[in-house]
Amino acid sequence: EPEVTQTPSHQVTQMGQEVILRCVPISNHLYFYWYRQILGQKVEFLVSFYNNEISEKSEIFDDQFSVERPDGSNFTLKIRSTKLEDSAMYFCASIVDRRTEAFFGQGTRLTVV
Amino acid sequence: DAKTTQPPSMDCAEGRAANLPCNHSTISGNEYVYWYRQIHSQGPQYIIHGLKNNETNEMASLIITEDRKSSTLILPHATLRDTAVYYCIVRVLSGGGADGLTFGKGTHLIIQP
Repeated sequence: EPEVTQTPSHQVTQMGQEVILRCVPISNHLYFYWYRQILGQKVEFLVSFYNNEISEKSEIFDDQFSVERPDGSNFTLKIRSTKLEDSAMYFCASIVDRRTEAFFGQGTRLTVV
Repeated sequence: DAKTTQPPSMDCAEGRAANLPCNHSTISGNEYVYWYRQIHSQGPQYIIHGLKNNETNEMASLIITEDRKSSTLILPHATLRDTAVYYCIVRVLSGGGADGLTFGKGTHLIIQP
């Protein structure tokens, strides 16, 4: 069964450093998403990406965040200067189109120290 | 604000049917009811969705009341592996409405041996 893969599974970084979280969506999917989940809290939508541009973003997705689809397979989330409060699980998801269900990756646990 | 209301937790005996309720009294005519689950901080997993008719797939059944103000997810023969947080989400499929999924706190279903 096709799946969304995320790397790394766990990343530890120092406050102020840049991190890039990587995702490989399912190959024929067209819409891509990032969500985050702070420990013990709800899953929160960050951003959606379609046709090589951001289609929607939440209030959380400020200037410190950016997304990119650098080639035909990868979808990345960059945090420019990490803060302690960026520590969370980050989930990538993809869908074929908005009428279908979302497939989520297993997440990257980001720990900012 | 959350559009759905779910009990925070439920228990069910292994092998029995688990019935998870969801209230969505403000649902509009073009909004679908989706169910996802999250097993122990893994990525959310799609279960089922529907508009107004009852739906069944290999994982579960979805019963939507005639007025569409509430629904019930049924896991017919719950196993220990079904222990998870279950999320009921309403969303418009296309042509407007939020792009990302809005997760609430969900119901923590615990299957007892």
